[in-house]
Amino acid sequence: GAVVSQHPSWVICKSGTSVKIECRSLDFQATTMFWYRQFPKQSLMLMATSNEGSKATYEQGVEKDKFLINHASLTLSTLTVTSAHPEDSSFYICSARDPGLSGNQPQHFGDGTRLSIL
Amino acid sequence: SQQGEEDPQALSIQEGENATMNCSYKTSINNLQWYRQNSGRGLVHLILIRSNEREKHSGRLRVTLDTSKKSSSLLITASRAADTASYFCATDANDYKLSFGAGTTVTVRA
Repeated sequence: GAVVSQHPSWVICKSGTSVKIECRSLDFQATTMFWYRQFPKQSLMLMATSNEGSKATYEQGVEKDKFLINHASLTLSTLTVTSAHPEDSSFYICSARDPGLSGNQPQHFGDGTRLSIL
Repeated sequence: SQQGEEDPQALSIQEGENATMNCSYKTSINNLQWYRQNSGRGLVHLILIRSNEREKHSGRLRVTLDTSKKSSSLLITASRAADTASYFCATDANDYKLSFGAGTTVTVRA
């Protein structure tokens, strides 16, 4: 089945560092990918919709200058947490849908990236 | 945005027992999806049920959907230790963006 790969799975870095997370669709072309954030023992909150070849669409309350999204190819979207601070520590998960399939289809999720800012 | 509520928040059952969890949502939907998340991992799709469907089965899983009440339920029969995970419902309102419920943490005791 379709697979979405997310890298890295775990990052620890100092405050002020910028961190890039990659999300790849391995066997389909994803024109749209989604980025979620999940705090411990909580649900997933949609941060933004990543659109290939155009600007990302951010959900209300998400700082676009803080969370830079680039979807430069049909198989790769990146999320860069700029000048990360401890409050940005969280579990970030991406997902993608296969546009080649018609009708109602589930999304495919990456394994997530645990970001810890010291 | 998060539009779903799930209950119970946590569920502890003996291996072999059934587990039922419920999900409620607020707006019209195109479909509702159930996902499982093992600790520290991504989400695994379980079942998608369309808005014009009322019940769906997949192995030991049974999902119902009542659009008049804006609610869904997930039943896991004959539970196993490997079913220990968090379960989330998610609604798709026809724009492919998923709104997740709060989740139910299921613990299956051996």
